[in-house]
Amino acid sequence: EVQLVESGGGLVKPGGSLRLSCAASGFTFSSYSMNWVRQAPGKGLEWVSSISSSSSYIYYADSVKGRFTISRDNAKNSLYLQMNSLRAEDTAVYYCARDQKDFDQHYFDYWGQGTLVTVSS
Amino acid sequence: SYELTQPPSVSVSPGQTARITCSGDALPKQYAYWYQQKPGQAPVLVIYKDSERPSGIPERFSGSSSGTTVTLTISGVQAEDEADYYCQSADSSGTPVFGGGTKLTVL
Repeated sequence: EVQLVESGGGLVKPGGSLRLSCAASGFTFSSYSMNWVRQAPGKGLEWVSSISSSSSYIYYADSVKGRFTISRDNAKNSLYLQMNSLRAEDTAVYYCARDQKDFDQHYFDYWGQGTLVTVSS
Repeated sequence: SYELTQPPSVSVSPGQTARITCSGDALPKQYAYWYQQKPGQAPVLVIYKDSERPSGIPERFSGSSSGTTVTLTISGVQAEDEADYYCQSADSSGTPVFGGGTKLTVL
Protein backbone atom coordinates (compact mmCIF):
# COMPACT_ATOMS: atom_id res chain seq x y z
CA GLU A 1 0.00 0.00 0.00
CA VAL A 2 1.36 3.40 -1.00
CA GLN A 3 1.80 5.69 1.99
CA LEU A 4 3.01 9.28 2.13
CA VAL A 5 3.38 10.88 5.55
CA GLU A 6 4.24 14.56 5.85
CA SER A 7 5.74 16.23 8.90
CA GLY A 8 7.46 19.44 9.93
CA GLY A 9 4.60 21.91 9.74
CA GLY A 10 3.89 24.46 12.43
CA LEU A 11 3.65 28.13 13.34
CA VAL A 12 6.43 30.39 12.05
CA LYS A 13 6.87 34.16 11.96
CA PRO A 14 6.99 36.08 8.68
CA GLY A 15 10.50 35.91 7.27
CA GLY A 16 11.19 32.65 9.06
CA SER A 17 12.07 29.20 7.78
CA LEU A 18 10.63 25.72 7.99
CA ARG A 19 11.59 22.33 6.56
CA LEU A 20 8.89 19.87 5.60
CA SER A 21 9.49 16.15 5.21
CA CYS A 22 7.53 13.40 3.48
CA ALA A 23 8.22 9.75 4.29
CA ALA A 24 7.25 7.37 1.49
CA SER A 25 6.55 3.65 1.67
CA GLY A 26 4.79 0.92 -0.29
CA PHE A 27 6.44 1.68 -3.64
CA THR A 28 9.87 2.09 -5.19
CA PHE A 29 10.42 5.72 -4.22
CA SER A 30 13.54 6.13 -6.35
CA SER A 31 11.54 5.40 -9.52
CA TYR A 32 9.07 8.26 -9.20
CA SER A 33 9.09 12.02 -9.49
CA MET A 34 7.49 13.70 -6.50
CA ASN A 35 5.62 16.92 -5.86
CA TRP A 36 4.50 19.37 -3.20
CA VAL A 37 1.00 20.80 -3.56
CA ARG A 38 -0.52 23.28 -1.11
CA GLN A 39 -3.98 24.44 -0.12
CA ALA A 40 -4.59 27.69 1.73
CA PRO A 41 -7.40 27.58 4.31
CA GLY A 42 -10.74 27.42 2.52
CA LYS A 43 -9.08 27.73 -0.88
CA GLY A 44 -8.19 25.50 -3.81
CA LEU A 45 -5.15 23.44 -4.69
CA GLU A 46 -1.89 24.99 -5.90
CA TRP A 47 1.07 23.05 -7.27
CA VAL A 48 4.28 24.20 -5.56
CA SER A 49 7.25 22.18 -6.76
CA SER A 50 8.36 18.93 -8.37
CA ILE A 51 11.55 16.88 -8.44
CA SER A 52 12.45 14.03 -10.78
CA SER A 53 13.41 10.59 -9.55
CA SER A 54 17.16 11.28 -9.60
CA SER A 55 16.84 14.99 -8.69
CA SER A 56 18.01 15.95 -12.18
CA TYR A 57 14.95 18.06 -12.93
CA ILE A 58 13.45 20.49 -10.43
CA TYR A 59 10.62 22.94 -11.00
CA TYR A 60 8.91 25.60 -8.87
CA ALA A 61 5.79 27.69 -9.06
CA ASP A 62 6.56 31.36 -9.62
CA SER A 63 5.02 32.14 -6.21
CA VAL A 64 7.79 30.25 -4.36
CA LYS A 65 10.75 30.43 -6.75
CA GLY A 66 13.88 31.66 -5.00
CA ARG A 67 12.45 31.01 -1.53
CA PHE A 68 11.64 27.28 -1.47
CA THR A 69 13.97 24.37 -2.24
CA ILE A 70 12.78 20.84 -2.97
CA SER A 71 15.07 17.87 -2.43
CA ARG A 72 14.95 14.14 -1.86
CA ASP A 73 16.96 11.31 -0.34
CA ASN A 74 16.23 8.07 -2.17
CA ALA A 75 18.19 6.05 0.38
CA LYS A 76 15.80 7.28 3.07
CA ASN A 77 12.66 7.22 0.87
CA SER A 78 12.11 10.84 1.80
CA LEU A 79 11.09 14.09 0.13
CA TYR A 80 11.79 17.53 1.58
CA LEU A 81 10.74 21.14 1.15
CA GLN A 82 12.94 23.84 2.64
CA MET A 83 10.88 27.01 2.96
CA ASN A 84 12.68 30.31 3.60
CA SER A 85 11.52 33.93 3.73
CA LEU A 86 8.03 32.76 4.59
CA ARG A 87 5.08 35.07 4.03
CA ALA A 88 1.54 35.13 5.37
CA GLU A 89 0.31 33.96 1.97
CA ASP A 90 2.34 30.76 2.34
CA THR A 91 -0.06 29.66 5.09
CA ALA A 92 -1.53 26.39 3.84
CA VAL A 93 -1.73 22.66 4.21
CA TYR A 94 1.20 21.21 2.27
CA TYR A 95 0.67 17.86 0.59
CA CYS A 96 3.28 15.49 -0.71
CA ALA A 97 2.05 13.81 -3.91
CA ARG A 98 3.42 11.08 -6.13
CA ASP A 99 3.85 12.00 -9.77
CA GLN A 100 2.47 10.17 -12.77
CA LYS A 101 2.99 11.17 -16.35
CA ASP A 102 0.93 10.91 -19.55
CA PHE A 103 3.30 11.85 -22.38
CA ASP A 104 4.43 15.33 -21.24
CA GLN A 105 1.65 15.87 -18.76
CA HIS A 106 1.91 15.29 -15.03
CA TYR A 107 -0.71 14.39 -12.49
CA PHE A 108 -0.84 13.09 -8.91
CA ASP A 109 -1.98 9.56 -8.15
CA TYR A 110 -1.28 9.36 -4.41
CA TRP A 111 -1.33 12.09 -1.77
CA GLY A 112 -0.27 12.32 1.84
CA GLN A 113 -2.56 13.66 4.55
CA GLY A 114 -0.79 17.00 4.60
CA THR A 115 0.97 19.17 7.17
CA LEU A 116 -0.24 22.64 8.15
CA VAL A 117 2.10 25.60 7.88
CA THR A 118 0.94 28.82 9.53
CA VAL A 119 2.90 32.03 8.95
CA SER A 120 1.87 34.64 11.47
CA SER A 121 3.41 37.06 13.93
CA SER B 1 -1.44 32.74 -16.51
CA TYR B 2 -3.49 29.78 -17.63
CA GLU B 3 -6.83 29.22 -15.89
CA LEU B 4 -9.27 26.35 -15.57
CA THR B 5 -12.82 27.44 -14.78
CA GLN B 6 -15.23 25.38 -12.69
CA PRO B 7 -18.66 26.28 -11.29
CA PRO B 8 -18.37 26.99 -7.54
CA SER B 9 -21.20 24.65 -6.66
CA VAL B 10 -23.44 21.91 -7.99
CA SER B 11 -26.40 20.38 -6.15
CA VAL B 12 -28.21 17.14 -6.88
CA SER B 13 -30.59 14.77 -5.13
CA PRO B 14 -29.51 11.23 -4.27
CA GLY B 15 -29.79 8.89 -7.23
CA GLN B 16 -29.62 11.68 -9.79
CA THR B 17 -26.74 12.50 -12.11
CA ALA B 18 -24.25 15.23 -11.27
CA ARG B 19 -22.20 16.92 -13.98
CA ILE B 20 -19.26 19.14 -13.09
CA THR B 21 -17.61 21.09 -15.89
CA CYS B 22 -14.11 22.48 -16.29
CA SER B 23 -13.22 24.90 -19.08
CA GLY B 24 -9.83 25.90 -20.42
CA ASP B 25 -8.45 27.04 -23.74
CA ALA B 26 -5.77 24.35 -23.86
CA LEU B 27 -8.03 21.43 -22.98
CA PRO B 28 -8.41 20.30 -26.62
CA LYS B 29 -4.64 19.63 -26.55
CA GLN B 30 -4.11 18.58 -22.94
CA TYR B 31 -5.52 15.80 -20.77
CA ALA B 32 -7.66 16.58 -17.76
CA TYR B 33 -7.62 14.92 -14.37
CA TRP B 34 -10.19 15.01 -11.57
CA TYR B 35 -9.71 14.83 -7.81
CA GLN B 36 -12.26 14.35 -5.04
CA GLN B 37 -11.59 15.99 -1.69
CA LYS B 38 -13.75 15.39 1.35
CA PRO B 39 -13.54 17.76 4.36
CA GLY B 40 -10.32 17.34 6.29
CA GLN B 41 -8.98 14.75 3.87
CA ALA B 42 -6.39 14.64 1.13
CA PRO B 43 -7.47 14.75 -2.52
CA VAL B 44 -8.12 11.43 -4.26
CA LEU B 45 -7.66 10.90 -8.00
CA VAL B 46 -10.98 9.80 -9.53
CA ILE B 47 -10.40 10.33 -13.28
CA TYR B 48 -7.18 10.51 -15.30
CA LYS B 49 -6.46 11.13 -18.96
CA ASP B 50 -9.92 12.71 -19.47
CA SER B 51 -11.95 9.55 -18.98
CA GLU B 52 -9.94 6.76 -17.37
CA ARG B 53 -10.90 5.54 -13.93
CA PRO B 54 -8.23 4.39 -11.43
CA SER B 55 -8.71 1.04 -9.78
CA GLY B 56 -10.96 1.25 -6.76
CA ILE B 57 -12.99 4.19 -8.06
CA PRO B 58 -16.70 3.31 -8.48
CA GLU B 59 -18.06 2.96 -12.01
CA ARG B 60 -20.54 5.77 -11.38
CA PHE B 61 -17.63 8.21 -11.88
CA SER B 62 -16.89 8.99 -15.52
CA GLY B 63 -15.18 11.71 -17.51
CA SER B 64 -15.58 13.16 -20.97
CA SER B 65 -14.10 15.87 -23.12
CA SER B 66 -15.52 18.13 -25.80
CA GLY B 67 -13.56 21.05 -27.17
CA THR B 68 -12.49 23.42 -24.42
CA THR B 69 -14.65 21.74 -21.77
CA VAL B 70 -14.18 18.55 -19.81
CA THR B 71 -16.92 17.06 -17.66
CA LEU B 72 -16.94 14.85 -14.60
CA THR B 73 -20.18 12.87 -14.42
CA ILE B 74 -21.35 11.05 -11.31
CA SER B 75 -24.27 8.77 -12.08
CA GLY B 76 -26.61 7.68 -9.30
CA VAL B 77 -25.11 10.13 -6.81
CA GLN B 78 -24.79 8.87 -3.25
CA ALA B 79 -24.52 10.85 -0.04
CA GLU B 80 -20.87 9.81 0.27
CA ASP B 81 -20.08 11.63 -2.99
CA GLU B 82 -20.58 15.01 -1.32
CA ALA B 83 -17.17 16.65 -1.61
CA ASP B 84 -15.11 19.25 -3.42
CA TYR B 85 -14.00 18.27 -6.91
CA TYR B 86 -10.99 19.76 -8.68
CA CYS B 87 -9.96 19.47 -12.31
CA GLN B 88 -6.29 19.64 -13.22
CA SER B 89 -4.43 20.06 -16.46
CA ALA B 90 -1.28 21.88 -17.56
CA ASP B 91 -0.28 25.16 -19.13
CA SER B 92 1.80 25.46 -22.30
CA SER B 93 5.03 24.89 -20.37
CA GLY B 94 3.73 21.75 -18.68
CA THR B 95 3.19 23.38 -15.28
CA PRO B 96 0.29 21.67 -13.48
CA VAL B 97 -2.75 23.89 -13.07
CA PHE B 98 -5.86 23.26 -10.96
CA GLY B 99 -9.35 24.58 -11.40
CA GLY B 100 -10.88 26.54 -8.54
CA GLY B 101 -12.93 23.58 -7.35
CA THR B 102 -16.62 22.70 -7.28
CA LYS B 103 -18.52 21.89 -4.12
CA LEU B 104 -20.95 19.04 -4.78
CA THR B 105 -23.92 19.05 -2.42
CA VAL B 106 -26.16 16.02 -2.17
CA LEU B 107 -29.58 17.33 -1.17
